[in-house]
Amino acid sequence: KAGVTQTPRYLIKTRGQQVTLSCSPISGHRSVSWYQQTPGQGLQFLFEYFSETQRNKGNFPGRFSGRQFSNSRSEMNVSTLELGDSALYLCASRTGTGHVAETQYFGPGTRLLVL
Amino acid sequence: AQKVTQAQTEISVVEKEDVTLDCVYETRDTTYYLFWYKQPPSGELVFLIRRNSFDEQNEISGRYSWNFQKSTSSFNFTITASQVVDSAVYFCALSDGNNNDMRFGAGTRLTVKP
Repeated sequence: KAGVTQTPRYLIKTRGQQVTLSCSPISGHRSVSWYQQTPGQGLQFLFEYFSETQRNKGNFPGRFSGRQFSNSRSEMNVSTLELGDSALYLCASRTGTGHVAETQYFGPGTRLLVL
Repeated sequence: AQKVTQAQTEISVVEKEDVTLDCVYETRDTTYYLFWYKQPPSGELVFLIRRNSFDEQNEISGRYSWNFQKSTSSFNFTITASQVVDSAVYFCALSDGNNNDMRFGAGTRLTVKP
């Protein structure tokens, strides 16, 4: 079974621009979560989508948004980029059916650099 | 609020040494899940183990073993006879009973020297 895939793997943007990152979950997984990883703040939860609806949300400003398509693929968008948005963005998937024993499986991440 | 503390920022050992990575957690939930993930330089988080709060049985998988102690809120990870390929950042994580809120520790960078 193919793992979680993320595109692009690397991205360079300038302040003020916007960016869209993509995540394809493991086949059969309906839940997709996004995390931001920085040296200073570590791994922080952004949001989770399940069946095209945002189910959980972390403590990030509204510049960070996401969506999920009917095939469970997800995109996250960051508008008006700031230098502090430079990070590794990780996507994780699980079946999401609410079974309490679930494990999340992570993709390789998209490394975003904002100049 | 849930919290995970990995007090060891970096650990360096020589190949074949045993090494233990510490993880202490805080939660008010009676049902929760603990995880360990490995992050090699490539960046992907690799799942290692999941443990629920009702199962305090320790687990061994090859050179890896985990010691879960609810009395001290700890979930420590030991690598026996470490190898260079074990070099990575290791994260301990805590999830609530609904698996909806996962909190990660700051990670421990393990370097295994030949």
